[in-house]
Amino acid sequence: DAKTTQPPSMDCAEGRAANLPCNHSTISGNEYVYWYRQIHSQGPQYIIHGLKNNETNEMASLIITEDRKSSTLILPHATLRDTAVYYCIVRVYNTDKLIFGTGTRLQVFP
Amino acid sequence: KAGVTQTPRYLIKTRGQQVTLSCSPISGHRSVSWYQQTPGQGLQFLFEYFSETQRNKGNFPGRFSGRQFSNSRSEMNVSTLELGDSALYLCASSSGQQTSGRAYEQYFGPGTRLTVT
Repeated sequence: DAKTTQPPSMDCAEGRAANLPCNHSTISGNEYVYWYRQIHSQGPQYIIHGLKNNETNEMASLIITEDRKSSTLILPHATLRDTAVYYCIVRVYNTDKLIFGTGTRLQVFP
Repeated sequence: KAGVTQTPRYLIKTRGQQVTLSCSPISGHRSVSWYQQTPGQGLQFLFEYFSETQRNKGNFPGRFSGRQFSNSRSEMNVSTLELGDSALYLCASSSGQQTSGRAYEQYFGPGTRLTVT
């Protein structure tokens, strides 16, 4: 099962873009990258997912490198409510199995 | 549309007892997965059910079991509880038929916090 590597923590000023990197060098060609975030031990909140094309939704953008070995989650205008642990996850092919790493604790400051 | 619901939200049990946790997926979702979250091990996959069939199982002892009903609701059971089973147990549901190779959003419930004393 593919694993992900993320920096343990990052800071971001409110209103600025938060760019969260993730390495997944062992990802298979048909495995998707998912991003979730978790606030105060609530259930993880779905953010976005992608296979090889860049993706954007109302919450964030996902940029996946051409070789698919890494990706970046972009929160375009971070707010204090975006303070959370962000998980980059590889979904095992043809299953709902998500393999969580240790995540990045994003602190947004005023 | 209502989200994933889990009951109970909090539970205290003693060692050796057993416990059953319940998960109701989002209406129309047929896939339910369970995860355990502890401070030491993080979020770990327990098992996945689709149309009442277990599709995948994580690396947990046989004391952990689950099932899914025809209405897609799911239960997980932990027998002979140990102190190390204290954790937040999370359920997630998704809508797609996973054999298609497509990826679907999975939505998590708020979790059941189990404390074993």
